[in-house]
Amino acid sequence: NAGVMQNPRHLVRRRGQEARLRCSPMKGHSHVYWYRQLPEEGLKFMVYLQKENIIDESGMPKERFSAEFPKEGPSILRIQQVVRGDSAAYFCASSPLPGAYEQYFGPGTRLTVT
Amino acid sequence: DAKTTQPNSMESNEEEPVHLPCNHSTISGTDYIHWYRQLPSQGPEYVIHGLTSNVNNRMASLAIAEDRKSSTLILHRATLRDAAVYYCILRDRSNAGGTSYGKLTFGQGTILTVHP
Repeated sequence: NAGVMQNPRHLVRRRGQEARLRCSPMKGHSHVYWYRQLPEEGLKFMVYLQKENIIDESGMPKERFSAEFPKEGPSILRIQQVVRGDSAAYFCASSPLPGAYEQYFGPGTRLTVT
Repeated sequence: DAKTTQPNSMESNEEEPVHLPCNHSTISGTDYIHWYRQLPSQGPEYVIHGLTSNVNNRMASLAIAEDRKSSTLILHRATLRDAAVYYCILRDRSNAGGTSYGKLTFGQGTILTVHP
């Protein structure tokens, strides 16, 4: 059973461009969570999605950031008009149930904005 | 979720036991204690969780104080591969299934260094 997959692993964007980060959850998992880790800082929750629904986006910046988890295909975290402060590692996690004890994390996408 | 306090860093020698403490003096009766770790340049990894009783699995043991205001993650024989940041996290099971339950609230964690 393949683990959580994220791609790309590394992404370089110029200021003002768009970044699209993809996350394929583990097979059978319909709950996806996105976290961000800024340099020298801890992991911060961004958004929690189920298939076709955003459940909790309390950690998502109000502007430029959006997330989706369509019925088919991976979950997408989209950052429009990136700025240098968006440079971070973005991790995706999945679980089979909302109350599951364990979240399974992917290897992360490291975004660098130049 | 209630707050946890962990030492910033700890050191150990390879093949020796490691005891990683966590204080959670404001823990509620429905809070589960979870431990995750993050190896360098990797995503976090679940280690163990518990409510009241001590717990063992293939990775570690979790010792929970009788009053539940503190807990200790025990690595019985540290290896170089155990060098990581260890996070102690509380999750309120009374919110299970609720919109806010999904997120994990990470603190700064404890940086564990293992010496050969």
